[in-house]
Amino acid sequence: AQSVTQPDARVTVSEGASLQLRCKYSYSGTPYLFWYVQYPRQGLQLLLKYYSGDPVVQGVNGFEAEFIKSNSSFHLRKASVHWSDSAVYFCAVSPNSNNRIFFGDGTQLVVKP
Amino acid sequence: EAGVTQSPRYAVLQEGQAVSFWCDPISGHDTLYWYQQPRDQGPQLLVYFRDEAVIDNSQLPSDRFSAVRPKGTNSTLKIQSAKQGDTATYLCASNPTGFGNTLYFGEGSRLIVV
Repeated sequence: AQSVTQPDARVTVSEGASLQLRCKYSYSGTPYLFWYVQYPRQGLQLLLKYYSGDPVVQGVNGFEAEFIKSNSSFHLRKASVHWSDSAVYFCAVSPNSNNRIFFGDGTQLVVKP
Repeated sequence: EAGVTQSPRYAVLQEGQAVSFWCDPISGHDTLYWYQQPRDQGPQLLVYFRDEAVIDNSQLPSDRFSAVRPKGTNSTLKIQSAKQGDTATYLCASNPTGFGNTLYFGEGSRLIVV
């Protein structure tokens, strides 16, 4: 069965520090991979997605993610976080062409001033 | 372009009561999804439609939950005889059919069952 694991329920970083949020998925094929963000009292919004090509994909607001097939990972990174990046970040996978998308349990990011 | 609209935003029920959630997807999006998001968890797919047809409702508790999309546009998710375990946010999302297409989410309907 497909699964998405985000091992860190909560990550706290200082403003201006670098960030990595971890994601591992379980699927034998080549899925679509996504990162979504959920700000307080808002719906989920797409940050970036990856299917093929350059394994480092750029997203909005300076976020990027790297696909490492050998490790089944798709970690999210940002070089310098801002207080407004505080939110919950969800990794998701779409394993085939039937439009189903599976989400991890999310990582709450807290950026300290 | 209007986004995905959901109502009501909040509902508080006693156990055993019923509630309906309504969703208006983005115009032109033929695929519509309902997700359940318990507190501190990720969204879990309940059901999704392509136009008016149910594509997958295998995760929908069919004894108390039902969902329809009669004209292939708006959709209603109904919970009958709610239980405390149904406490969650119910998210509606839509996208055009296609592998890897971005999901567009509404703000959600938060349900508390006491």
